Amino acid sequence: GAGVSQTPSNKVTEKGKYVELRCDPISGHTALYWYRQSLGQGPEFLIYFQGTGAADDSGLPNDRFFAVRPEGSVSTLKIQRTERGDSAVYLCASSELPGLAPNEQFFGPGTRLTVL
Amino acid sequence: DAKTTQPTSMDCAEGRAANLPCNHSTISGNEYVYWYRQIHSQGPQYIIHGLKNNETNEMASLIITEDRKSSTLILPHATLRDTAVYYCIVRVAGTGNQFYFGTGTSLTVIP
Repeated sequence: GAGVSQTPSNKVTEKGKYVELRCDPISGHTALYWYRQSLGQGPEFLIYFQGTGAADDSGLPNDRFFAVRPEGSVSTLKIQRTERGDSAVYLCASSELPGLAPNEQFFGPGTRLTVL
Repeated sequence: DAKTTQPTSMDCAEGRAANLPCNHSTISGNEYVYWYRQIHSQGPQYIIHGLKNNETNEMASLIITEDRKSSTLILPHATLRDTAVYYCIVRVAGTGNQFYFGTGTSLTVIP
């Protein structure tokens, strides 16, 4: 079946611009996660959705970052006033009900964001 | 979630077993050990998980010491396609929270 998909695969933008990154999770997965991965590092957690609500947004670095999941399926990560330090690969993952132990997260291929 | 320690890099000859160690000396009784890997330019991929018993699936085996303070991921017959970064993660099962990936072990399978 279809896995997690992310669009675009690559995004180049200029400093100060606004960007949106999209994630389509596996159908039926209620949990959705965003991670950010810088070169040479492991993925770092940003935010976790359970259904439509953000259950944990403790990883968002500042208020320029925001994510939504209005219908409990597709999610959009939004970055305002981008900075060069935002350049990274943004990964999305989804999983079944997290209350079912132990849940496996399925990752998409990521969106490579480059801020010039 | 408990911190894990892994070697930065390892090499393995093609066709031989790759044994990747992980230390998690502060693991709690309700924390599982997960292994993921990330092939270049792809998202992380689940390999295996376990609580205290050894586990085996079609990809790998997971050996957890009796005191649960360390574990070893075994790829029984490494191929060139197994070249990747391998992450050992411990976390409480059934929670909705994130995985803490660390920097992992970069495994290179040599022809």
